[in-house]
Amino acid sequence: EVQLVESGGGLVQPGGSLRLSCVASGFTFSNYWMHWVRQAPGKGLVWVSRINSDGGYTNYADSVKGRFTISRDNAKNTLYLQMNSLRAEDTAVYYCVRSPAPGYSGYDYSFDYWGQGTLVTVSS
Amino acid sequence: QSVLTQPPSVSAAPGQKVTISCSGSSSNIGNNYVCWYQQLPGTAPKLLIYENNKRPSGIPDRFSGSKSGASATLGITGVQTGDEADYYCGTWDSSLSAVVFGGGTKLTVL
Repeated sequence: EVQLVESGGGLVQPGGSLRLSCVASGFTFSNYWMHWVRQAPGKGLVWVSRINSDGGYTNYADSVKGRFTISRDNAKNTLYLQMNSLRAEDTAVYYCVRSPAPGYSGYDYSFDYWGQGTLVTVSS
Repeated sequence: QSVLTQPPSVSAAPGQKVTISCSGSSSNIGNNYVCWYQQLPGTAPKLLIYENNKRPSGIPDRFSGSKSGASATLGITGVQTGDEADYYCGTWDSSLSAVVFGGGTKLTVL
């Protein structure tokens, strides 16, 4: 069974930093692209970032470019999101999300499994 | 303001059919595949449709997807109370170099 378990969320002051983690199990983590998607309270889904299977390629939404860094440790089956210079508008539930296996059309921008999410609150 | 445009809400009586539209442009829907996601209250989203019109295993055939030009549509037949949820379309935007979503559509089963 595919499982994605996020951790690291919490309350942080504006300008602060936080690192989210996502431990994956039930599949060969090193074969899949991974993403972070966020959802502000009562709002819609917003894609944040993605990373390819070996970590050599990353991509960010303009709203987080230069502040957030996505990375992965395939030996630990873990995805990370380092968030710096946090702003109130970064307050959201952050989901760790997996892309389907390569071979599916549009696999690198589709999402087949989602974690339960971790809440990040940026407030003084 | 979302890149993809969805109606904020739709409603249907149990057993009826409902459609949810998703409108974009040539930089996104027009030249890329569309997915649809269902988010039940208080839960994480779930993949409903991928590659415009394919269903993952376990998704009932009451759910269907289609795409024409720069628009996509999610169809749900035989609507059930358990289908009450928010539905999102998503795809790649080649101009933004980003994954984009619609603003979401809340389905109410009357």
